[in-house]
Amino acid sequence: ELKVEQNPLFLSMQEGKNYTIYCNYSTTSDRLYWYRQDPGKSLESLFVLLSNGAVKQEGRLMASLDTKARLSTLHITAAVHDLSATYFCAVDMDSNYQLIWGAGTKLIIKP
Amino acid sequence: DGGITQSPKYLFRKEGQNVTLSCEQNLNHDAMYWYRQDPGQGLRLIYYSQIVNDFQKGDIAEGYSVSREKKESFPLTVTSAQKNPTAFYLCASSFEGQLSTDTQYFGPGTRLTVL
Repeated sequence: ELKVEQNPLFLSMQEGKNYTIYCNYSTTSDRLYWYRQDPGKSLESLFVLLSNGAVKQEGRLMASLDTKARLSTLHITAAVHDLSATYFCAVDMDSNYQLIWGAGTKLIIKP
Repeated sequence: DGGITQSPKYLFRKEGQNVTLSCEQNLNHDAMYWYRQDPGQGLRLIYYSQIVNDFQKGDIAEGYSVSREKKESFPLTVTSAQKNPTAFYLCASSFEGQLSTDTQYFGPGTRLTVL
């Protein structure tokens, strides 16, 4: 069964701290996506990782992909309150136009 | 401005009624998708369409129907056969091509509640 597992599912942290969200997947894939969702809102694309070793950075967020380990990480550096949201990873199912989604990591950053 | 629009934002349905959720995009994207999201959950695929007049069932298609008569439009009908339709419905689209990243772009969503 194709699975995408995120951990942790819930994370509460203080501003200024660093932390990493993990996304493991069970199928071979070279494409992995990270999205952000604010409460009651739609999803916003953050990163697209298209090959082994890919690393993308935007502000305090950095995403990486290790296709051999079937693992992607989303690293938060010096967290600020505005980064509070739910973060989803999704894996391309061999270009079959379908994505397999993780359950999401709800991140709360306290001032 | 290019984007994806969904309407209505909120929808209330009585049991036994069919309702249709609208999704329109002006991004010239080939593929369109419908997802369902339950509280605290990830996304589950209902239907997707790669080209006009063609669509495929996703993981939870039972009780739903779609059409794709125009490239820009992909309406979703929630039928009375869907026993637990209360959820947040998200429409997405993507450009499919050799050089495409296939990133899916999402509309603002429709929150459906069964009374």
